[in-house]
Amino acid sequence: QKEVEQNSGPLSVPEGAIASLNCTYSDRGSQSFFWYRQYSGKSPELIMSIYSNGDKEDGRFTAQLNKASQYVSLLIRDSQPSDSATYLCAVPSGSARQLTFGSGTQLTVLP
Amino acid sequence: ETGVTQTPRHLVMGMTNKKSLKCEQHLGHNAMYWYKQSAKKPLELMFVYSLEERVENNSVPSRFSPECPNSSHLFLHLHTLQPEDSALYLCASSRGSPNYGYTFGSGTRLTVV
Repeated sequence: QKEVEQNSGPLSVPEGAIASLNCTYSDRGSQSFFWYRQYSGKSPELIMSIYSNGDKEDGRFTAQLNKASQYVSLLIRDSQPSDSATYLCAVPSGSARQLTFGSGTQLTVLP
Repeated sequence: ETGVTQTPRHLVMGMTNKKSLKCEQHLGHNAMYWYKQSAKKPLELMFVYSLEERVENNSVPSRFSPECPNSSHLFLHLHTLQPEDSALYLCASSRGSPNYGYTFGSGTRLTVV
C-alpha cells in the first residue's frame, strides 16, 4: 500500500459546485496533514493544513480529517475556473524527516 | 526578497555538460529539500538537509550531487545527465520539522538533450 493515496482524476465539476478531493494515508502515527495546489507548470503552493480530527475552514476551502479511518479530504465550495489545478495531499513520513506526497488529483472547473 | 528562490528557471543542457541549480531561502528555516517532478509522476524526494547536514539521500544517482553551505543556500550539481533526467526540480524549505509544512521555490525546468 502506498503511503499516501489520492484518486488521480481527472475530476470535473461545474462552476459554483462543490469539489471533493480525497486522500488516504497508511501511517497511523501521522499528526499533520497538508493540501497543496499546483497549477500547470508551477510549483506547489500550501493552501490548507490540519492537525486535529474534524473540519477546518478557510474561506471556500474546508479540510476534513478522520484519523480513525486514516483519510483527509478537501472540499472547495463555489468552485471557480481559477481553482482548476492539481491538488496534492502530503503527510510527514514515519521518520518525520520529509513530507510524502500523493500523486495528486487534477481538478477542472468548467465555466 | 522573500520566500524560496530558485535559479535558473529554465535550463537546457547536453549530456556532457556540468551545471548547478541554486536555491536560496529567506524564511529562517533550517531544513531544505530537493524534489524531482516528472510528467505524470508524483513528487520524488531526492535529498534532505537539516541544519546543513544531509540526513536523507533517497537512492539518487551520483550524477546528482547536492551541496548545502549554510542553512539559507542549497545547490544541486549536475553532470553527465541522461534525457530521462529531464524534469521540474523543486527546492523546498521548512521550519525544522516537516510537521509545519514546506514552502516551495518556483522550480527549475530542466531539459537534457
